[in-house]
Amino acid sequence: QQQVKQSPQSLIVQKGGISIINCAYENTAFDYFPWYQQFPGKGPALLIAIRPDVSEKKEGRFTISFNKSAKQFSLHIMDSQPGDSATYFCAASRGGATNKLIFGTGTLLAVQP
Amino acid sequence: EAGVTQSPTHLIKTRGQQVTLRCSPISGHTSVYWYQQALGLGLQFLLWYDEGEERNRGNFPPRFSGRQFPNYSSELNVNALELEDSALYLCASSSGTGVNEKLFFGSGTQLSVL
Repeated sequence: QQQVKQSPQSLIVQKGGISIINCAYENTAFDYFPWYQQFPGKGPALLIAIRPDVSEKKEGRFTISFNKSAKQFSLHIMDSQPGDSATYFCAASRGGATNKLIFGTGTLLAVQP
Repeated sequence: EAGVTQSPTHLIKTRGQQVTLRCSPISGHTSVYWYQQALGLGLQFLLWYDEGEERNRGNFPPRFSGRQFPNYSSELNVNALELEDSALYLCASSSGTGVNEKLFFGSGTQLSVL
């Protein structure tokens, strides 16, 4: 019940295309859903986050879509660029607590020029 | 402002040995977290330290331990290394654990156990 399942494991997208990464959770008490971006040789960095009071949050080319009834959330990267090539992790926690983040297994995104 | 720093960046050990990894949080951050990033397993929570105390630990054996110093820096110790301990060990810090807090990660220590 504490798991966050992430798919796909890897993704190849052409430049200018849309990248979509999906996550699903079981624990209905989760109420904070961040996405982290990790470049090779670096630690993950917070990219964008959403709380369940909204169904969508957009920051530039990055959008989180949230479906509370399905217990799913996804990251959409519009107009994907080679510089977006990285590993993306979804995560979830209760009360937005940083000490209780449960991470997905990650998606390796490669954007081809 | 300096970010979270970890040392060493890479480490090679053999089975049965012991290793110590170090982390310096962002100035002003009192909470330090340790994660293990093994291939295909995502980020697995190891330990959380706040104000010098261990507040929580993940589902790892007792040979994984650590501590936090008065200056809030932290060490992760792994005893009796096993091959499956090979992973990237990430340290993160935050200034608190509340709703609006963020985790800031270091670049990690890549541990290889031969």
